[in-house]
Amino acid sequence: EAQVTQNPRYLITVTGKKLTVTCSQNMNHEYMSWYRQDPGLGLRQIYYSMNVEVTDKGDVPEGYKVSRKEKRNFPLILESPSPNQTSLYFCASSPIDSYNEQFFGPGTRLTVL
Amino acid sequence: TQLLEQSPQFLSIQEGENLTVYCNSSSVFSSLQWYRQEPGEGPVLLVTVVTGGEVKKLKRLTFQFGDARKDSSLHITAAQPGDTGLYLCAGVSTSGTYKYIFGTGTRLKVLA
Repeated sequence: EAQVTQNPRYLITVTGKKLTVTCSQNMNHEYMSWYRQDPGLGLRQIYYSMNVEVTDKGDVPEGYKVSRKEKRNFPLILESPSPNQTSLYFCASSPIDSYNEQFFGPGTRLTVL
Repeated sequence: TQLLEQSPQFLSIQEGENLTVYCNSSSVFSSLQWYRQEPGEGPVLLVTVVTGGEVKKLKRLTFQFGDARKDSSLHITAAQPGDTGLYLCAGVSTSGTYKYIFGTGTRLKVLA
């Protein structure tokens, strides 16, 4: 089954404790992206990657890191999480063509205390 | 910074009514997408429009891309309770960077 998977689905942590949210896709998509979703603000793009070893900042990259060592994986790293990073995070992937149809993962709800 | 404004933010209607959701920007997008999101799930793509003036139909849903590729609308005919959800528009940047800009969403509730 074609899908984007994220782990963990739920995470409660404390300020300053490094964490990684994994994202994997099995559709051989070139493009992968991370978003955060907050009430009233919609989805905001954090980072995206157009292929292996190619990453770029979205609109809200501060406090986040990513890497793209393999085509299928695109982990999101929070080196020193803060309470304002409490949010619902989504990973997405898509082929790079004129339609760029994104497929989203199920989401990771992160709470930073 | 490119922005997409969606209106209305909330909409509660009776089954069988028609509705239109708008997505507006002062920026040009290379394409525009509409997604629907259910609680606890990720957004699911409904349609992508690419050409200015393009109209696409998906059963009772009609999507239109503005001539200047700065705005779009979603029209639902004879809404049903199954249409309830969060509708999001998303524009793809024209700069070739494949940055996505999402609207803030329209939360639709269709009452039986």
